[in-house]
Amino acid sequence: GIQVEQSPPDLILQEGANSTLRCNFSDSVNNLQWFHQNPWGQLINLFYIPSGTKQNGRLSATTVATERYSLLYISSSQTTDSGVYFCAVETRDDKIIFGKGTRLHILP
Amino acid sequence: GAVVSQHPSWVICKSGTSVKIECRSLDFQATTMFWYRQFPKQSLMLMATSNEGSKATYEQGVEKDKFLINHASLTLSTLTVTSAHPEDSSFYICSAQSWQENTGELFFGEGSRLTVL
Repeated sequence: GIQVEQSPPDLILQEGANSTLRCNFSDSVNNLQWFHQNPWGQLINLFYIPSGTKQNGRLSATTVATERYSLLYISSSQTTDSGVYFCAVETRDDKIIFGKGTRLHILP
Repeated sequence: GAVVSQHPSWVICKSGTSVKIECRSLDFQATTMFWYRQFPKQSLMLMATSNEGSKATYEQGVEKDKFLINHASLTLSTLTVTSAHPEDSSFYICSAQSWQENTGELFFGEGSRLTVL
């Protein structure tokens, strides 16, 4: 089946720093989403981005479907950005597969 | 964005009992819902795809008689953990696809933390 790999697995940054999270996938997909899982387990939708670039405040994302990767950019990090960031892809047979996530720690 | 509500958020039960978890799409109709299981510090593992009006499709290794899924309406899917045992303790999360904007974007419930004593 399709492989979804996220990097880095863990990231520790000082408040105010910028970061780039990567999601690689091994086969063509119907779409891709980025989520932030907060400490209580709730998954928050960040981007629905099968291709192209989107921006929402300090966050932006780019998916290059032909090269099978997506990037999530976080600028001017805040402590509330801490948590786990997941990318999830919808496969050609309509299954949603998650990567293992990037655990982000923002230090005050 | 679309809202998905999951209930209960927390449940503690005795070994051998059954537990039902509900997943509701509050402001949209969802023909397809997904159930996931998440162990501590791990990713979400897809358990099954729930389709309104038909049988759920289970992933390999997931016991369908253990995890009963019912999707009786366009806004409600339920997961019943039957004869629960301590190894079933986990965080269970549902999601629903919204086609309101013709995207199939996935929205998640708050999750249900099950502890089996």
